[in-house]
Amino acid sequence: QQQVKQSPQSLIVQKGGISIINCAYENTAFDYFPWYQQFPGKGPALLIAIRPDVSEKKEGRFTISFNKSAKQFSLHIMDSQPGDSATYFCAASLTGFQKLVFGTGTRLLVSP
Amino acid sequence: DGGITQSPKYLFRKEGQNVTLSCEQNLNHDAMYWYRQDPGQGLRLIYYSQIVNDFQKGDIAEGYSVSREKKESFPLTVTSAQKNPTAFYLCASKGTPRTGELFFGEGSRLTVL
Repeated sequence: QQQVKQSPQSLIVQKGGISIINCAYENTAFDYFPWYQQFPGKGPALLIAIRPDVSEKKEGRFTISFNKSAKQFSLHIMDSQPGDSATYFCAASLTGFQKLVFGTGTRLLVSP
Repeated sequence: DGGITQSPKYLFRKEGQNVTLSCEQNLNHDAMYWYRQDPGQGLRLIYYSQIVNDFQKGDIAEGYSVSREKKESFPLTVTSAQKNPTAFYLCASKGTPRTGELFFGEGSRLTVL
């Protein structure tokens, strides 16, 4: 019930294309869904987050789509750039609960 | 600048030795965390602390120990009991329960020879 399943494990997208990473969760009590971006040799950093009262959140080229009934959420990166090449982690938690549950990560490579 | 400082960045250790990884934050955050990162396994929680002098086991606490004597500091000791200690270790902190945002350090890469 505490798992977050992430796919694909790796992804290659051409420059200018759309990158899509999917996550599914089991615990219907989760109410906070962030995405973290990690560059090689660095710690992850918060990219964008959503709460289940909205179905979509957009920040620049990054969009989270949220489907509460399907218990799924996804990250879309529009106009993908080589600088977006990184590992992306989805996560989920309960508000006020101190632990985030992370997905296994997606390694994105954007080819020039 | 405010942030989380982890040291050392790279560490080599012989089997049977304990090693302590340092984590210091100047964000005035109450909660601090240690995660282990392995290829294909994401981030797994080792220990976390919500307040000084208190900490809880995460999902993979066996072979690790922590202390939280100061708000700013949350060191992790990888003991000889940890069977597969070679990994990338990440320390994080969180300010408010509402936002949920974790702030990570740059990590420490431990290699056991």
